[in-house]
Amino acid sequence: DAGVIQSPRHEVTEMGQEVTLRCKPISGHDYLFWYRQTMMRGLELLIYFNNNVPIDDSGMPEDRFSAKMPNASFSTLKIQPSEPRDSAVYFCASSIGGSTGELFFGEGSRLTVL
Amino acid sequence: GESVGLHLPTLSVQEGDNSIINCAYSNSASDYFIWYKQESGKGPQFIIDIRSNMDKRQGQRVTVLLNKTVKHLSLQIAATQPGDSAVYFCAERAGNTPLVFGKGTRLSVIA
Repeated sequence: DAGVIQSPRHEVTEMGQEVTLRCKPISGHDYLFWYRQTMMRGLELLIYFNNNVPIDDSGMPEDRFSAKMPNASFSTLKIQPSEPRDSAVYFCASSIGGSTGELFFGEGSRLTVL
Repeated sequence: GESVGLHLPTLSVQEGDNSIINCAYSNSASDYFIWYKQESGKGPQFIIDIRSNMDKRQGQRVTVLLNKTVKHLSLQIAATQPGDSAVYFCAERAGNTPLVFGKGTRLSVIA
């Protein structure tokens, strides 16, 4: 079975450029989460969706960050314009149900903003 | 092995010994807890979970203990193997809210 699929795995970009990270959740999962991982702050929840609808985006750092889920099999996290402090590993995860069951994580997208 | 500050605490264990990784949680309303393992360059992977109506749960070579009185969670790994080397995260959830992750503990297995 395919797990959560993220792309790109690695991205290096220059400050000011737009970055788009992509995620395909596991088929049948109704919750999708975007996390950011840094050494300083660990795993931080940015936003999560239930049935393609954003439920809580209070973790999104600022207006430069936006996330969409146009359908049940695809989500994007966009940073525009990117800044060096956005450098991190961004994980997408999906689950069945929000209060029970485990999260299934993708392999992550490592972003470096120069 | 609790997570404090900017540096991951590290637990070094001899191969074959048992490992105990600890986690303190803060939300007394948390009713569901999970341990995740993250290997270098990969996403976190589920190890074992426990609900607040239990104080112990066993899996294959792993045991999770929950002490709600002092808000403490531990993960015990029996007969630790080199493949167990990774960063381990505890995560908690209160009701229908998203998981909140701890900072993690790095387990280093000495062969």
